[in-house]
Amino acid sequence: QQPVQSPQAVILREGEDAVINCSSSKALYSVHWYRQKHGEAPIFLMILLKGGEQKGHDKISASFNEKKQQSSLYLTASQLSYSGTYFCGTEGDGNKLVFGAGTILRVKS
Amino acid sequence: DTGVSQDPRHKITKRGQNVTFRCDPISEHNRLYWYRQTLGQGPEFLTYFQNEAQLEKSRLLSDRFSAERPKGSFSTLEIQRTEQGDSAMYLCASGSGNQPQHFGDGTRLSIL
Repeated sequence: QQPVQSPQAVILREGEDAVINCSSSKALYSVHWYRQKHGEAPIFLMILLKGGEQKGHDKISASFNEKKQQSSLYLTASQLSYSGTYFCGTEGDGNKLVFGAGTILRVKS
Repeated sequence: DTGVSQDPRHKITKRGQNVTFRCDPISEHNRLYWYRQTLGQGPEFLTYFQNEAQLEKSRLLSDRFSAERPKGSFSTLEIQRTEQGDSAMYLCASGSGNQPQHFGDGTRLSIL
């Protein structure tokens, strides 16, 4: 079952914040976040294992609520380089990832 | 660490032809994954290997698709009798343990 991401798209000005949500109907072992720019490979951002932990580096952080089967990605003080499509990949049984349809983020100057 | 390498980057072929793609994973990774991505969608799981063993294959995967990883290093994905609907970006990723999957740049397949 594909996780549901929201919003589908968001436009920000440099310096503004954004939250991208990922919700699954299945029990999750972990959530993986990637960013993909047009014509390029998805780039790994962070992985969250079950336990409700929050991780982050620089101005990007994420949380994982395993009881609600939800994860959120927080982008603080956005930069032009943050533009791209963000995907969450959820891992249940087995080692494969099931990806959402993506959230398109555009940061304008 | 040279990253995940895929070849070719682009493939244009006529409907009905067979195509084969190659993926070279990061050397210390024992897991290798194949995904397919179409415009506006996230990567869709096709199959994965742990070392040379193919452990899971998507139920959506037609029997025209076959993948191998004969020595637990590089992998090939073959599509026989290609159809228009096979046009997509084919992505390979590798990983190990609880480490994240790292993706290659993909092979873009266009069916004429």
